[in-house]
Amino acid sequence: GQNIDQPTEMTATEGAIVQINCTYQTSGFNGLFWYQQHAGEAPTFLSYNVLDGLEEKGRFSSFLSRSKGYSYLLLKELQMKDSASYLCALRGAAGNKLTFGGGTRVLVKP
Amino acid sequence: EAQVTQNPRYLITVTGKKLTVTCSQNMNHEYMSWYRQDPGLGLRQIYYSMNVEVTDKGDVPEGYKVSRKEKRNFPLILESPSPNQTSLYFCASSSGSGSIYEQYFGPGTRLTVT
Repeated sequence: GQNIDQPTEMTATEGAIVQINCTYQTSGFNGLFWYQQHAGEAPTFLSYNVLDGLEEKGRFSSFLSRSKGYSYLLLKELQMKDSASYLCALRGAAGNKLTFGGGTRVLVKP
Repeated sequence: EAQVTQNPRYLITVTGKKLTVTCSQNMNHEYMSWYRQDPGLGLRQIYYSMNVEVTDKGDVPEGYKVSRKEKRNFPLILESPSPNQTSLYFCASSSGSGSIYEQYFGPGTRLTVT
């Protein structure tokens, strides 16, 4: 089985940096996704990590350590529109099932 | 425009009345999946399909059926809905020769079972 932990909520100031952690225990691993979901909307893809290390995409970066069962999503130069939930998801060993964490709600304040 | 569509977007029904939520994608994706999202429980996978006529259970398949007769369509069937199936449902699809890469989500279907 798989178990994924994320903080429930975080608050940060516009222009600042926020790091959202995701820790997991799994019997098989084939990659880790990060999705953004605004209230009442569908999730949208942010990043996918399968190897250890940092993936950077503009203001967003995602890091993975497979040996530690740990990932984080780094949001830089926060904007008000970044207020949303951020979902960590594991791709299982068979490569077909996807298990989501409960999500972290980020509130950006002026 | 590349998209995943779901219908209906909102549905209120009564216990036991069979219903189908349709999902269609126009990106020729092989992989399609259904999720439900509930407060405090996050997104949970119901069923997924690797290709036409190939479907498999996710984490919460009880009370649901799916079919994949065509590549573009993946309907979700509730044969006898119950109040605990009140939820927000998302369909998603992705390419990658049968593997999951970037998933595109539909807009969601909010279902209420009374």
